[in-house]
This record gives sequence, structure tokens and C-alpha cells, in this order.
Amino acid sequence: NAGVMQNPRHLVRRRGQEARLRCSPMKGHSHVYWYRQLPEEGLKFMVYLQKENIIDESGMPKERFSAEFPKEGPSILRIQQVVRGDSAAYFCASSLSTSGRGEQFFGPGTRLTVL
Amino acid sequence: QQQVKQSPQSLIVQKGGISIINCAYENTAFDYFPWYQQFPGKGPALLIAIRPDVSEKKEGRFTISFNKSAKQFSLHIMDSQPGDSATYFCAATFGSQGNLIFGKGTKLSVKP
Repeated sequence: NAGVMQNPRHLVRRRGQEARLRCSPMKGHSHVYWYRQLPEEGLKFMVYLQKENIIDESGMPKERFSAEFPKEGPSILRIQQVVRGDSAAYFCASSLSTSGRGEQFFGPGTRLTVL
Repeated sequence: QQQVKQSPQSLIVQKGGISIINCAYENTAFDYFPWYQQFPGKGPALLIAIRPDVSEKKEGRFTISFNKSAKQFSLHIMDSQPGDSATYFCAATFGSQGNLIFGKGTKLSVKP
């Protein structure tokens, strides 16, 4: 019973390049959340998605960032034209439903380094 | 009002001692309070959680104490072990969306 999977685990990009982070939720989970963690900081909510729908993107920067969760395949967090301030760990979490609020299972994260 | 304030930032405890981490919140709409444990290089893992209709919840060596009137909750780790050394995050959520609001974390070191 695989947990939440994220890839790549480490990603290095130069300023101006694009970063694509992938998340496969736990089997049977249809709710996906993306969080960003800066060094020595807590996790900050970015976006909440269900299959083919963005439910809440209030934590996502208005520019350069986008997310999707297609009918088939993993959820994708896309960062265009990366800047050094985007360097962080990005975590994906999944849950079975929102009725069990907070019972989110986290993946191992993608550590993005922008040179 | 959306913040969850966590203290201390770091904590050193001797093996066998009690580790106590505190969190405070402002938004009375919060209705679910989980604690997560994170080891270096790993994702957070749910440790224990509580709802505000309960004042205490215990699971093994881990206990959450909840004070609704003071808007505070705390994690107690009894008989702390070196393997408990990790960063602990409190969190809160409300409403139907479920996105978690995290404290800044407490780095716990348990000395043998």
C-alpha cells in the first residue's frame, strides 16, 4: 500500500527555467494539497485540488505558479521562470475526503534549488 | 487571525524526561488540531490529533491537552527517547476545505 509519492526528490534549476513537481496521492485519495516549506519554517498552504478542479488556491502566488490534478495521472505543481526565492521544499499531501479534516498524509517532498 | 503560534522553537530533554510543546491560536472557528512529526529529509507524519470538544487525548506516550477558553493546546511526550528527536509541528484547520495552518515548528533533541 504505497504512500504519497513525489518526484523528483531533488530538483536543481537555474533562474528563469521551469520546475515541474509531481505528486501521486495515496490509492483511493481524491484530495490533494500542496505546501511549501522554507528552511527553519513551518509549512505554508499553497493550493487544494480535487480531480480536475482547483478548490482553493488562496496560498499560491498569483504569478508563475500553477497547479493541476488531471483525471488521469499525478498532480503537477508548475513554477515558471524560477527565482532564487523559490528554493524550498515542496510537499504534497492527500486525503480520502474533507470529512476527515486534517487527516492528510504527506509525501517525502521535492527539494527545489534555484541557482 | 489565521496564525498558529508555537513555542519553544527548540527543546533539549534528557532521556526519560517529559517534552512539552505549546501552541496558541486566535481563530475560534478552528475545529481540528493535529500534531505532525518530521524527521530530517522526510515529509511530516501525523502523530496525534484532537477536536475542541475534548480536553485531552492520549495515544501511548503522546498526549494532547486542549484548553478551549485559553485557545491553547499542547503536546506532551512522556518518557522521551532519543528516537523522538525530530521537529514537531502543531496545526489547525476549519471549514470544508481542510487546508492546514501550521505553527513554525519545535526542534526536539532528546539526549541519551
